[in-house]
Amino acid sequence: NAGVTQTPKFQVLKTGQSMTLQCAQDMNHNSMYWYRQDPGMGLRLIYYSASEGTTDKGEVPNGYNVSRLNKREFSLRLESAAPSQTSVYFCASSTSGHTDTQYFGPGTRLTVL
Amino acid sequence: SQKIEQNSEALNIQEGKTATLTCNYTNYSPAYLQWYRQDPGRGPVFLLLIRENEKEKRKERLKVTFDTTLKQSLFHITASQPADSATYLCALGSGGYQKVTFGIGTKLQVIP
Repeated sequence: NAGVTQTPKFQVLKTGQSMTLQCAQDMNHNSMYWYRQDPGMGLRLIYYSASEGTTDKGEVPNGYNVSRLNKREFSLRLESAAPSQTSVYFCASSTSGHTDTQYFGPGTRLTVL
Repeated sequence: SQKIEQNSEALNIQEGKTATLTCNYTNYSPAYLQWYRQDPGRGPVFLLLIRENEKEKRKERLKVTFDTTLKQSLFHITASQPADSATYLCALGSGGYQKVTFGIGTKLQVIP
């Protein structure tokens, strides 16, 4: 099993450009999450999907959109990137509830110039 | 506002000793607490979960305590090894997906 995979690993964007971060899990998990991690701050939840077909905002959703394409895949889209979105983005999944173990992907390091 | 405090300073410890990391919180009533390990350039890896009605949890060389009166969790690694060097994150949850809050982590360096 690959676990949670993310693409791309690195990305540089110019302000105003758009991009989609891809995430897939092969553990048959119901719940999936997108976090961002910034120096001096903890992981912050951007969006989550409790189950296939549902998505909800987390702590810092502004400037992002998500799509739960199917049970395996959960994508994060930046419509118009801003320098404040420079961060490391992690996707995670869990079997069902938020108290379950979360399995994280390797992360995408995004720089917005 | 809710706040989690982990010692942002790196913790250096001699190999073989017990490492103790602290997670303090304020303005929070967590239902559970989790500890994760994160290596440079990688995603966090789950280690242990302890619920509010549990005082202590153990897994191999790891031990977690949870004191809801002191609003504190201690994470112990006994017989520490250089391979234990990493950043350790605590995460608190009180119900609902939006209620999971991560600390910034403590970097542990085990010196041979």
